[in-house]
Amino acid sequence: DTAVSQTPKYLVTQMGNDKSIKCEQNLGHDTMYWYKQDSKKFLKIMFSYNNKELIINETVPNRFSPKSPDKAHLNLHINSLELGDSAVYFCASSQRAGLATYNEQFFGPGTRLTVL
Amino acid sequence: ILNVEQSPQSLHVQEGDSTNFTCSFPSSNFYALHWYRWETAKSPEALFVMTLNGDEKKKGRISATLNTKEGYSYLYIKGSQPEDSATYLCAFIRGYQKVTFGTGTKLQVIP
Repeated sequence: DTAVSQTPKYLVTQMGNDKSIKCEQNLGHDTMYWYKQDSKKFLKIMFSYNNKELIINETVPNRFSPKSPDKAHLNLHINSLELGDSAVYFCASSQRAGLATYNEQFFGPGTRLTVL
Repeated sequence: ILNVEQSPQSLHVQEGDSTNFTCSFPSSNFYALHWYRWETAKSPEALFVMTLNGDEKKKGRISATLNTKEGYSYLYIKGSQPEDSATYLCAFIRGYQKVTFGTGTKLQVIP
């Protein structure tokens, strides 16, 4: 059983299109995240959701929007795709621990997005 | 900009050698430090969650220490094996849901 899954694994699209990447976790976790792996292979957090509430939104363009229909899913929607959006996007989840959330994260396999 | 730096950036060791690398982070607003192992073409997997100054964690041949007052953590691998080859990431948790990953140390163990 895959704990954190993402679809699709690869996504090739044209500049200007709108696309979504789906993420699902079956771990019963209540916090989910989206990360972008940049050209230098660094992982940068984009969003996290806890109990359907957005609690982090780093300096990400508003073309990116997370959508969470329930606590097992956090989808990433991207409008008007640009060349610079090409990257690998990772979804992750963790279990909240009291007031401080510092449990380890479980990562999905990643989605390689290529914008042409 | 929050600096979470890891050194060295990359490392080649012979099979059987022991090695260690460093994660440096700000010493204020510390909640936790995580270590992750990231093999090529896979996803990062958690190794350790460290929360208290002086914490020492161990998993098999891999261990880690934490100094929150001076802002560093060491990861040690004893008797490196080729299967230890991966990128090792630290993640600094500075507050409620605030996660910053380090730059990573890429380890290559030569048989």
